[in-house]
Amino acid sequence: DVKVTQSSRYLVKRTGEKVFLECVQDMDHENMFWYRQDPGLGLRLIYFSYDVKMKEKGDIPEGYSVSREKKERFSLILESASTNQTSMYLCASSTGPNTEAFFGQGTRLTVV
Amino acid sequence: AQRVTQPEKLLSVFKGAPVELKCNYSYSGSPELFWYVQYSRQRLQLLLRHISRESIKGFTADLNKGETSFHLKKPFAQEEDSAMYYCASSGGYQKVTFGTGTKLQVIP
Repeated sequence: DVKVTQSSRYLVKRTGEKVFLECVQDMDHENMFWYRQDPGLGLRLIYFSYDVKMKEKGDIPEGYSVSREKKERFSLILESASTNQTSMYLCASSTGPNTEAFFGQGTRLTVV
Repeated sequence: AQRVTQPEKLLSVFKGAPVELKCNYSYSGSPELFWYVQYSRQRLQLLLRHISRESIKGFTADLNKGETSFHLKKPFAQEEDSAMYYCASSGGYQKVTFGTGTKLQVIP
């Protein structure tokens, strides 16, 4: 059973803080993704990675960066958190193009 | 660029009524299309995908290339079908694009 685990379910951070969201998958998947989920806007892709140390910008990368030093771990970094980054963040992984994505349980981040 | 459109934010139907959740995509090639579902307090999960041509929990979806649509259908809605449904497209790249989602509410 594929498991994608996000390190926190809920986070509250202050404006200007550097925030790290961690995601780990245990099925040796090549691809990993970070999405944010907002009501009425659906899932929007922030960044994805198709290999260790490789990353590609998604549709809304501004204000975010990512790190993938190991195959199983994909980190999302908010360099300087702002209130408009308050959202639900979803991590996902998949084996390759056109394959099912497996999602983590989500991290609800509130920036105050 | 890929685009997935789900025109309805909320769809309310009575139990036992037919359900159709609409999805249109824009991609010049032959994308792989998916429906994902998120039940209350659960993680997002795959419901079905075009290539498998399966019926899952009574749901089916047919790809219509002429209309660039991939609508999700079920003949008789059940209360446990109430959830958020997302259509998604993978255009041969690693990237998966999701629609804005439709909340299905089945009224007892």
